[in-house]
Amino acid sequence: KAGVTQTPRYLIKTRGQQVTLSCSPISGHRSVSWYQQTPGQGLQFLFEYFSETQRNKGNFPGRFSGRQFSNSRSEMNVSTLELGDSALYLCASSLNAGGTQYFGPGTRLLVL
Amino acid sequence: AQSVTQLGSHVSVSEGALVLLRCNYSSSVPPYLFWYVQYPNQGLQLLLKYTSAATLVKGINGFEAEFKKSETSFHLTKPSAHMSDAAEYFCAVSVPTNTGNQFYFGTGTSLTVIP
Repeated sequence: KAGVTQTPRYLIKTRGQQVTLSCSPISGHRSVSWYQQTPGQGLQFLFEYFSETQRNKGNFPGRFSGRQFSNSRSEMNVSTLELGDSALYLCASSLNAGGTQYFGPGTRLLVL
Repeated sequence: AQSVTQLGSHVSVSEGALVLLRCNYSSSVPPYLFWYVQYPNQGLQLLLKYTSAATLVKGINGFEAEFKKSETSFHLTKPSAHMSDAAEYFCAVSVPTNTGNQFYFGTGTSLTVIP
């Protein structure tokens, strides 16, 4: 079975721009979670989607949003980028909500 | 509130020595517990998980962890460290909430292996 895939793997943007990251879960998995990882803050939970519905949300501003499609693929969007948004964004999928999470390789975002 | 505490953000061991990475959790109900490993510039990889079966769980790469309910701990061990074990290790817990199971991660422990 193919693992979790994330595109793009690397991205450079400038302040004020917006960005969309994509995540394709393991086939059959219906839950997708997103995390932001930075050296200073560690691994922080952004949100979780299950069957196209946001089930849980972390403590991030409204500039961070996401969605899940009927095929369980998920996208997250960050608008009005700030320097502090530079991070590794990780996606994880699980068979069901709250189940064992399997991670993708991440998207490295650099905001200049 | 549910939480996971990893004692020691940095651990150094000599090659061939015992690896012990500590994890304590707080949960009012029996949780599912996990250890993940992250190598540089990669995602997290599942090492092992406890799901209320045997309290001693064996994982990949020679790692194992023991669930001790009385101590609310789930420490990760490996008898003999290898250079390739150098990585970041995360403990995680999945606990039931009124909206379904919720995952929580610890802050991570960076393992250095000294040749």
